[in-house]
Amino acid sequence: NAGVTQTPKFQVLKTGQSMTLQCAQDMNHEYMSWYRQDPGMGLRLIHYSVGAGITDQGEVPNGYNVSRSTTEDFPLRLLSAAPSQTSVYFCATRRQADSNQPQHFGDGTRLSIL
Amino acid sequence: AQSVTQLGSHVSVSEGALVLLRCNYSSSVPPYLFWYVQYPNQGLQLLLKYTSAATLVKGINGFEAEFKKSETSFHLTKPSAHMSDAAEYFCAVSGYTGTASKLTFGTGTRLQVTL
Repeated sequence: NAGVTQTPKFQVLKTGQSMTLQCAQDMNHEYMSWYRQDPGMGLRLIHYSVGAGITDQGEVPNGYNVSRSTTEDFPLRLLSAAPSQTSVYFCATRRQADSNQPQHFGDGTRLSIL
Repeated sequence: AQSVTQLGSHVSVSEGALVLLRCNYSSSVPPYLFWYVQYPNQGLQLLLKYTSAATLVKGINGFEAEFKKSETSFHLTKPSAHMSDAAEYFCAVSGYTGTASKLTFGTGTRLQVTL
């Protein structure tokens, strides 16, 4: 039982390149989300999904796209990478979208944009 | 809107000393509150959660937190710090916003434990 798996763990991009961060879960959780973590700012919600085919914006969605074609996968796409998107990205899941139960986090993807 | 304020971005304690990490929240509805811990190069792990049952919540690794509605606080404590407690700690509040319950995090407190 792997839980929440994020790939890659590290990535370096050049400004303007595009890339997809992968998130996969094997817990059949309804809710999936993406956060970015920056020093002194905690974690900020980028996008989230309450089920396959349903996504919505979080606090800092600009420059990112998401889709949810299956329950298991929730990829995050950077359309044209910018240095301001240098960050650590975390995927998190929860069994039910409207529950206040805790979220389960992946180990993160560390992304540097040069 | 909901928010969380963590007082002190860095806290240093001696091994064996009391750990106190402060968290104040703002929420328009009864809050669900969480403390998460993050060890270097890892994701976040749940320490404990408050979901309107008991106001004193016990978590893993000897940590506990007390919900005080009158003070809008949810401070995290541990009677005796251990070197392995060195990590970053995040307080978070959850609230339903019409489509899903969303977590709002504080900015984090890095705990240093010295000999």
